Amino acid sequence: RKEVEQDPGPFNVPEGATVAFNCTYSNSASQSFFWYRQDCRKEPKLLMSVYSSGNEDGRFTAQLNRASQYISLLIRDSKLSDSATYLCVAFYNQGGKLIFGQGTELSVKP
Amino acid sequence: GAGVSQSPSNKVTEKGKDVELRCDPISGHTALYWYRQSLGQGLEFLIYFQGNSAPDKSGLPSDRFSAERTGGSVSTLTIQRTQQEDSAVYLCASSSSSYEQYFGPGTRLTVT
Repeated sequence: RKEVEQDPGPFNVPEGATVAFNCTYSNSASQSFFWYRQDCRKEPKLLMSVYSSGNEDGRFTAQLNRASQYISLLIRDSKLSDSATYLCVAFYNQGGKLIFGQGTELSVKP
Repeated sequence: GAGVSQSPSNKVTEKGKDVELRCDPISGHTALYWYRQSLGQGLEFLIYFQGNSAPDKSGLPSDRFSAERTGGSVSTLTIQRTQQEDSAVYLCASSSSSYEQYFGPGTRLTVT
C-alpha cells in the first residue's frame, strides 16, 4: 500500500464548478501535510499547507482529519487555469522528506 | 533571485552508459533532495542531503545510483550502467525550512 494515496482522476469539470480532491495517508507519524500543484511537464510548486483547523486561500480550502488520516482540497469557482495535477504530500520531520501521492489530474473545460 | 537549476535539461544515453545529473540549489538552502518521476507517476524520493551529508539514502533504487554534494551547494546524481527502466524525469529540490521545497525544472533522461 502506498504511503499517500490519491484518486488519479482525471476530474473533468466545467468552469465555475466546485471540485474536491481527497487523499489518505498510512503513516500516523506524518507531521505536516501540503498540496502541491504540477502543471504539465513542469516542476511541482507548493499550493498550500494543510492544518487540522482547516485553512483557506482564496478559492482553495484545505482540511486535515488526523483521526481518519485524511486530507482534502476544495476548489470553488474553477478556472481554466486551475487545470493541473494536484499532489497530496506528507512530511516526516524525522528524515525531513516529503512523501508525494500519485497526484490527481484536474481538467477545467470552458 | 535565481531558482533551482538543473543540467542537462534533456539527456539521451545508450543502455549501459553512465550519466551524471547536476543540481544547483537556491543559494543558502541547506537541504537538497532528489526525486524521480516516471511518465504518469508521482514523485519517488531518492535521497536527501542536509549540508554535505546524506542522512537518508533509502530511496536510491539500486547500487548503480549514487549522489554527492560538495560545499553544501551543488549536487550530482550519478547513474552507472544505465538501464531502460531508469528513463524518467529527475527532479531536484532545495529547502531552507523543513517543508517548502523549491523544485528545479528537472532532467529528462531517456535510455535507449
